Amino acid sequence: QSVLTQPPSASAAPGQRVTISCSGSSSNIGKNYVSWYQQVPGTAPKLLIYDNNKRPSGIPDRFSGSKSGTSATLGITGLQTWDEADYYCGTWDSSLSAGVFGGGTKLTVL
Amino acid sequence: QEQLVESGGGVVQPGRSLRVSCAASGFTFSSFGMHWVRQAPGKGLEWVAVISYDGRNKYYADSLKGRFAISRDNSKNTLYLQMNSLRLEDTAVYYCAKPFTDFWSGNSYYYYGLDVWGQGTTVTVSS
Repeated sequence: QSVLTQPPSASAAPGQRVTISCSGSSSNIGKNYVSWYQQVPGTAPKLLIYDNNKRPSGIPDRFSGSKSGTSATLGITGLQTWDEADYYCGTWDSSLSAGVFGGGTKLTVL
Repeated sequence: QEQLVESGGGVVQPGRSLRVSCAASGFTFSSFGMHWVRQAPGKGLEWVAVISYDGRNKYYADSLKGRFAISRDNSKNTLYLQMNSLRLEDTAVYYCAKPFTDFWSGNSYYYYGLDVWGQGTTVTVSS
């Protein structure tokens, strides 16, 4: 059971928009920075969003992040077939003094 | 460019020990805390441990406290994870990762995200 809760799956057609939610608590998302990762099976995770809503160099602006209270959301617009991957949210939990990840969301681009 | 390369994985019997390493290059290793994250076959990411830039502060996942130990040698730009009393459920790919930015305030730790990951090293615990 992950500390952060994500839907196990999401899907949308090419060109459409999809959002992936990440729910936590006051000790993690509520007071710390949220990041999002994309992982294609068999490869290492890749940072998509850091500090709740910032994109690293090289990440297209089709990817966006937001945070409100104890929840965070990853948005992807203009879906491409190569966006099919697993997506994870992560943050620090100040009560656990530990890093935490969501269980991951498998995105299917239909 | 910034790069992390893990090594030291392999097949080990339950109850035995193993140390994996992570060699860093392309950035000032001694300026950043460093993390270990693992992923069991077919499962999600599981955070393992973090060590401060100077090695003085360390935090572990609750389930691993007492069995795993994180350390670093800044003179060698290398991060380590010593794993003792290994169990079948420790079978996973172990990744080291660098935070985009991190800082320590008293006993509190903050990091913005993990922007550099190694390719992972596979640890298989099997009899």
